[in-house]
Amino acid sequence: EVQLVESGGGLVQPGRSLKLSCAASGFTFSDYNMAWVRQAPTKGLEWVASISYGGSNTHYGDSVKGRFTISRDNAKSTLYLQMDSLRSEDTATYYCARELLRRFAYWGQGTLVTVSS
Amino acid sequence: DVVMTQTPVSLSVSLGGQVSISCRSSQSLVHNNGNTYLSWYLQKPGQSPQLLIYKVSNRFSGISDRFSGSGSGTDFTLKISRVEPDDLGVYYCGQGTQYPYTFGAGTKLELK
Repeated sequence: EVQLVESGGGLVQPGRSLKLSCAASGFTFSDYNMAWVRQAPTKGLEWVASISYGGSNTHYGDSVKGRFTISRDNAKSTLYLQMDSLRSEDTATYYCARELLRRFAYWGQGTLVTVSS
Repeated sequence: DVVMTQTPVSLSVSLGGQVSISCRSSQSLVHNNGNTYLSWYLQKPGQSPQLLIYKVSNRFSGISDRFSGSGSGTDFTLKISRVEPDDLGVYYCGQGTQYPYTFGAGTKLELK
């Protein structure tokens, strides 16, 4: 069974940093592209970033480009999202998702990030 | 960026009824490789989104045949027949044809 478990969310002040993790199990992690998708409170879905299965290719949404970094450790079957220079508009539930041919086939339960002073 | 426009914003349906949700993209979703990467997701209350349909009309593993997708180019439709209580929630279309990936704003399906 595919499992994606996010962690690392919490309350952080504007301008500070936070690193999210997503522990994957139930599949060969290194075979799949992975992504982060977020959802602000009461809002819709927003794709944040994607990373190729080997980690060499990354893509970012315009709203996070230059501030967020997606990475992975295939030996640990873990996906990361380093979030720097956080803003109030980054407040959201962050979902880890397994990609398959440009679709999000499996999603984690999400971790809430609140950016507030 | 590709803008995804979903209509209606909300829908009321009776159990056992049928509904359609429309999704339009601001650009063609046909990829250079000939595939159209349009997916549909359902987010039930308090849950993470789940994949229903991919590449316009393909049902994901375990998804009921009461869900069907159709369309081409820039116009797409999700149909749900014989609506059940477990179908309620917010439906999103999403495109993976080009970066940045984008989603529609969602359609909330409620009971009449």
